[in-house]
Amino acid sequence: DTGVSQNPRHKITKRGQNVTFRCDPISEHNRLYWYRQTLGQGPEFLTYFQNEAQLEKSRLLSDRFSAERPKGSFSTLEIQRTEQGDSAMYLCASSPLQGLSSGNTIYFGEGSWLTVV
Amino acid sequence: AQTVTQSQPEMSVQEAETVTLSCTYDTSESDYYLFWYKQPPSRQMILVIRQEAYKQQNATENRFSVNFQKAAKSFSLKISDSQLGDAAMYFCAYRRIQGGSEKLVFGKGTKLTVNP
Repeated sequence: DTGVSQNPRHKITKRGQNVTFRCDPISEHNRLYWYRQTLGQGPEFLTYFQNEAQLEKSRLLSDRFSAERPKGSFSTLEIQRTEQGDSAMYLCASSPLQGLSSGNTIYFGEGSWLTVV
Repeated sequence: AQTVTQSQPEMSVQEAETVTLSCTYDTSESDYYLFWYKQPPSRQMILVIRQEAYKQQNATENRFSVNFQKAAKSFSLKISDSQLGDAAMYFCAYRRIQGGSEKLVFGKGTKLTVNP
């Protein structure tokens, strides 16, 4: 399978703990995106990378959230001191270099479900 | 800020029939992209169809077509000859072109049920 891969698919954590999600984009896709989706809502943009550079961040990405893409390949999204409001599905997506600006499709992973108890 | 509204939380259609999903959006931009995405249960979101705002011709992809009304800021999706595999959440999304943002703004989605 050469699609966008996300791990873990499901995570249950206690409030106050830290969690980390990993995303492996489609090979040779330079752009990588993180979105958050809660029940009954559409995805909300969090951040995106072009190669290793984080070029855009949403105000939704509070200081408890950090995303990295150190070598321009896989990315991690860490949430520190989790709160119940962080419970959501975290979607990763990738696209070729020109991304949406050239009308390129972005490809989504299956998402990582986070439940904070 | 741009917003996308999908006024139909749920829709149902009989297999082989046609259904139309509604989407309206608010923007002050003149150039932008609009998208419809499909999200089957427990599966990844996939692009169904895309429309560039500067194109007057409505986009079509096999059984999927759109009715793009720029002045009305309306972007509906028509699914013809509905199939059981079309059952999913459908999201309308907007992306501005100016400013270099890669952000997609999504609506809340419409759950489509296809009855055999």
